[in-house]
Amino acid sequence: AQTVTQSQPEMSVQEAETVTLSCTYDTSESDYYLFWYKQPPSRQMILVIRQEAYKQQNATENRFSVNFQKAAKSFSLKISDSQLGDAAMYFCAYRRMYSGGGADGLTFGKGTHLIIQP
Amino acid sequence: DAGITQSPRHKVTETGTPVTLRCHQTENHRYMYWYRQDPGHGLRLIHYSYGVKDTDKGEVSDGYSVSRSKTEDFLLTLESATSSQTSVYFCAISGKEVSGSSYNEQFFGPGTRLTVL
Repeated sequence: AQTVTQSQPEMSVQEAETVTLSCTYDTSESDYYLFWYKQPPSRQMILVIRQEAYKQQNATENRFSVNFQKAAKSFSLKISDSQLGDAAMYFCAYRRMYSGGGADGLTFGKGTHLIIQP
Repeated sequence: DAGITQSPRHKVTETGTPVTLRCHQTENHRYMYWYRQDPGHGLRLIHYSYGVKDTDKGEVSDGYSVSRSKTEDFLLTLESATSSQTSVYFCAISGKEVSGSSYNEQFFGPGTRLTVL
């Protein structure tokens, strides 16, 4: 079974600074997806960024970027120019890839609580 | 917003009573999922559906059943609620190509907070 580990229960960063959240995973699959979700106090799950394992280039979405190290099974999230609105729980998630789509659910880590200091 | 609603949003019930949570989508996504979220555990998959009347178990399916009689509705039933089922329940959908996103991305509903006394 796949497992996802987030070793940082809580992180704190000053506004406008850069912070990196860690995620490691374990799988025997070669093709899969990795995701970072944000959950603010509203409880809504919001997709931040997605990485396909077959892509060597790291995904980037505005201030959010990932460092995907497939051999090391590592998938960290870097948030640049942190803003107060970035304060939330962040979850790393894994899903294996099927040809034509597929129905497997996501496997989530336990989350990292990100605090933004003004 | 992927057009997912959950009802009820909050529910308090007593041990031993049946409870049904509803997930409704308006986006014609093929796959639907139920997760529960508990402190210290992240989200864990309960059941999922890959089409009308087609469902399968997830990681924490004991004590839960599901049904999907229409594409747009996915019901989660607790036949006899227990205090260990106190949790926040999320529905998610995937399986449709939408602008700017992948077929394999999952979109989440707002969640239902269930308390079993």
